[in-house]
This record gives sequence, C-alpha cells and structure tokens, in this order.
Amino acid sequence: DSGVTQTPKHLITATGQRVTLRCSPRSGDLSVYWYQQSLDQGLQFLIQYYNGEERAKGNILERFSAQQFPDLHSELNLSSLELGDSALYFCASSVQKDPGTGDSSGNTIYFGEGSWLTVV
Amino acid sequence: QQPVQSPQAVILREGEDAVINCSSSKALYSVHWYRQKHGEAPVFLMILLKGGEQKGHEKISASFNEKKQQSSLYLTASQLSYSGTYFCGAPNGGGYQKVTFGTGTKLQVIP
Repeated sequence: DSGVTQTPKHLITATGQRVTLRCSPRSGDLSVYWYQQSLDQGLQFLIQYYNGEERAKGNILERFSAQQFPDLHSELNLSSLELGDSALYFCASSVQKDPGTGDSSGNTIYFGEGSWLTVV
Repeated sequence: QQPVQSPQAVILREGEDAVINCSSSKALYSVHWYRQKHGEAPVFLMILLKGGEQKGHEKISASFNEKKQQSSLYLTASQLSYSGTYFCGAPNGGGYQKVTFGTGTKLQVIP
C-alpha cells in the first residue's frame, strides 16, 4: 500500500459525459501528479500540482482539468468524454522539497492503485 | 520527449540475466526505475542521483551514465516475480520534478 488513495477504482460512462477522479496523496506529500495509461501503453504525464498550485503540464487535453485543494487532495475532471479516453488514470504523490530550496529530483514518486475509466 | 527503452520486450527463463537500457535525448539529472505488474500501480525500485552512480542490492541493480544520458537496469538470476513492465523515469530537473517515463520494457520470466 503506497498510501495514495484514488477513487473510484472503476468507472463506466457514456461518451459525452463528465467524470471526476479523486486522489488523496500520502500524508505529508505536497506534490500530486496525474498520469494516463492507455491499454498496454506507457505512462503519459498529464499535470502536476505542488501545494495547491499547478507546476507542470504535459499533454493534457483541454477537455481535462485538475485542481489541488487546500487539504492537498486533488481531482481530475474529464469532460465530453470520448471512447479514446478509456484508460487507467494514476495519481501519484511525492514529498518534493520546496522548489526554491534546491533540486528535488531525488524524491520518490508513490502511485495510487489507479482509476479504470471505460467510456462506452 | 520521453526516454527510449530497449529492448521493448524480453522473455527470460528463471535464473537468466537481463539488462534494460534507458536513453534520453535530453540531459538526465537523475533516473527513477519502476516496475509495473499488469493492471497494477507502478512500484518504485530505485533512484540514481549522480552520474556514475550504481545502486541496487543482490539481484536488481542499476547504473547511471550522466554524460551519455543513459541508465541501465540489471536483473540477475531472474525470478518469476520479476515479470512485469519496467519503466525508467526522467525528472525535468527544474525543481518541480515533472517526471517523464520511458517507453517501457515488458519482461516475462518463465519457468
């Protein structure tokens, strides 16, 4: 158990609908990441938040949005869903030192169990 | 651009060795290695922070060549439990640690 909690674990929805995926990071972790993994594909970085602020963006579609709340949990909102959005969505967290104090590249990233999204 | 891993897939018999390579077109500040079982979350294996660093224990180890922008993961005397997809991860080094994962290597260990 990594300590990162994601809900729901499985979700089936129709095209055109909107869903929200929720993530609670490990206790004390300020940084949250979202990744998308399509069937037998690699991990595609979507977005990263640090202490409530967006810090890095990957190939995230405009139909997707995310936020990190004051209690550090994060939500990924997926709207106008298409069949191709079906994937496993991972949330991950890390301690990440304050970027202003130096390089934090040594921090381990802990992944949640993922949310399986199926769009039909 | 994501790091490129080789080989894409490999099948081993128990007890055999394997090397997985990770190559980046951008500067590598550090390298993460993860293993993912099918349908499960990636699990952290190790981080290499410095060029020339080698890490690991017993049968799984890794090296990091900063100048060549490469890292290699070494699996010796493989066990059935080693099966899975291995990913290297490259932080952007900007302090925000956006980690881009490699293309992945599927490893299957058979009896």
